[in-house]
Amino acid sequence: GNSVTQMEGPVTLSEEAFLTINCTYTATGYPSLFWYVQYPGEGLQLLLKATKADDKGSNKGFEATYRKETTSFHLEKGSVQVSDSAVYFCALYSGNTPLVFGKGTRLSVIA
Amino acid sequence: DVKVTQSSRYLVKRTGEKVFLECVQDMDHENMFWYRQDPGLGLRLIYFSYDVKMKEKGDIPEGYSVSREKKERFSLILESASTNQTSMYLCASSRAGGRTGELFFGEGSRLTVL
Repeated sequence: GNSVTQMEGPVTLSEEAFLTINCTYTATGYPSLFWYVQYPGEGLQLLLKATKADDKGSNKGFEATYRKETTSFHLEKGSVQVSDSAVYFCALYSGNTPLVFGKGTRLSVIA
Repeated sequence: DVKVTQSSRYLVKRTGEKVFLECVQDMDHENMFWYRQDPGLGLRLIYFSYDVKMKEKGDIPEGYSVSREKKERFSLILESASTNQTSMYLCASSRAGGRTGELFFGEGSRLTVL
């Protein structure tokens, strides 16, 4: 079945550091891939998405590239801010089944 | 501003009580979902619905039921709450078809069962 594996946290970075959160997937067919973010005390919200191989999703300085050859969709940001502290979820949608989420990675950015 | 609204942010219930968690969306979305979120386990799908009066079991339906009598409202019911159902519950909705992966979430309902 479909599944998503993302790096376990927590991840703690200093402000302006480079961020990578790894995400790999297993899926049949040609899935769409997503990153969701959950800020403290809130529900999840869509951060970015990519619907086909080699697509790059981007938003708020975050980027992720859909790599079919490595079945990966790693999240990156060149310079994190304290306001980026949140839990990040990688997710996959394929066919007619509900979205499948990874377990989440908690990011803490310290000033 | 489009919204998914969950009726209660925080609830405290006793073991054996019947619990209703309500979710309303104002985006005319066909699809609605209930997840629970637990530390170390991420989001787990309880039930979902792709249409009014339709429901499908997710990965962990045991101990839960749902009701979707109107398109905008999706209720999660704990018939007899137990302590292992203490959790954060998240409701979400999405359009049908190609944008089904783009979910809109409510702020969550944190349930404590004593």
